[in-house]
Amino acid sequence: DTAVSQTPKYLVTQMGNDKSIKCEQNLGHDTMYWYKQDSKKFLKIMFSYNNKELIINETVPNRFSPKSPDKAHLNLHINSLELGDSAVYFCASSQKSGGSEQYFGPGTRLTVT
Amino acid sequence: SQQGEEDPQALSIQEGENATMNCSYKTSINNLQWYRQNSGRGLVHLILIRSNEREKHSGRLRVTLDTSKKSSSLLITASRAADTASYFCAPTTTGTASKLTFGTGTRLQVML
Repeated sequence: DTAVSQTPKYLVTQMGNDKSIKCEQNLGHDTMYWYKQDSKKFLKIMFSYNNKELIINETVPNRFSPKSPDKAHLNLHINSLELGDSAVYFCASSQKSGGSEQYFGPGTRLTVT
Repeated sequence: SQQGEEDPQALSIQEGENATMNCSYKTSINNLQWYRQNSGRGLVHLILIRSNEREKHSGRLRVTLDTSKKSSSLLITASRAADTASYFCAPTTTGTASKLTFGTGTRLQVML
């Protein structure tokens, strides 16, 4: 059983389109995260949700909107995609917020052309 | 910022040798975590050491923490080709909004 899963694994789209990435965890964790890893392998947190409540919202363009329908899911919707959005996006979860060990998904490689 | 900075940026060793990588940080922490990332994959949690611990072992991994120097080290003994990966440290606090802030990692290459 995959602990943290993401779909799709690869996403190729054109500038200006809107796309979503889905994340699900079956670990019963309370907290979920989205990270962006750029071409230089620098991994940066974007958002964190604890029990469906947004607790971390880094300096991310408004075109990015996370949605948590329940505590097992955290989806990422991106509007008006730009070339600079090309990156690998990782979802993660932890048992609770605040410095707990995190479990990462396999990543979604987004390419904007 | 609780960002850790890993050193060296890259490390190349022969299989069977030990690999040591270091992490420095700037603020007080509650714990420090180490993660591994294989190429094209998500991060995998390796070990967590609390601020009141000085050393911790897990299999072939040995982590030390010196809070007075704000530094940590990760030692991988008897390295294997499968240990080839990037390694990241994440110094953390435990507040609700605490987050993991990663550096650029140490890229370890274990050669046969």
